[in-house]
Amino acid sequence: QSVLTQPPSASGTPGQRVTISCSGSSSNIGSNYVYWYQQLPGTAPKLLIYRNNQRPSGVPDRFSGSKSGTSASLAISGLRSEDEADYYCAAWDDSLSGGEVFGGGTKLTVL
Amino acid sequence: QVQLQESGPGLVKPSQTLSLTCTVSGGSISSGGYYWSWIRQHPGKGLEWIGYIYYSGSTYYNPSLKSRVTISVDTSKNQFSLKLSSVTAADTAVYYCARGLLPQLWFDPWGQGTLVTVSS
Repeated sequence: QSVLTQPPSASGTPGQRVTISCSGSSSNIGSNYVYWYQQLPGTAPKLLIYRNNQRPSGVPDRFSGSKSGTSASLAISGLRSEDEADYYCAAWDDSLSGGEVFGGGTKLTVL
Repeated sequence: QVQLQESGPGLVKPSQTLSLTCTVSGGSISSGGYYWSWIRQHPGKGLEWIGYIYYSGSTYYNPSLKSRVTISVDTSKNQFSLKLSSVTAADTAVYYCARGLLPQLWFDPWGQGTLVTVSS
């Protein structure tokens, strides 16, 4: 299983606010930045959030990231149908068996 | 803007070596500051980081794959490559190349990915 833990699924209706959690440990999230990627169906992942809570240009401010201790969250407000995708969190792991680690991904369904 | 494109065989036999190349356009690998990376995604599964190379040739590999992975760079062709030896069916995946940035490694942009199937 993945080093970072995410719920396998999440859902919401248009206009709602949804949050996706990402849980790690002191060697990854606890001591390093968290990054989020969005993977639309049939496409490559795309950077969504960097350095915990920064949005690349072009990413709507409906998307926001936060981190506290060894956990992080991605929030999507004003949910839209085009937000239906898989979302992955990632962080560097400082342990001997580390390197870049990802969460298992959360499939977001817009009902 | 920078774009990346993976290329290579879509089918590899068990025990053989998987070889892929990533061609970078819209920017130079030699410009520095970036960590040219490989990431894979098993069918229907999550993402797994394989490793990266800096334009100088220095590398860093996922410890779980380190014994089988080699990443190299050809700055004259603006390409970097992945070799994964002794493959099994468990190496069947979509392989992505991506530009990596610090701190603590993040990826932007990504290539479109290429499916490699390991089968006899």
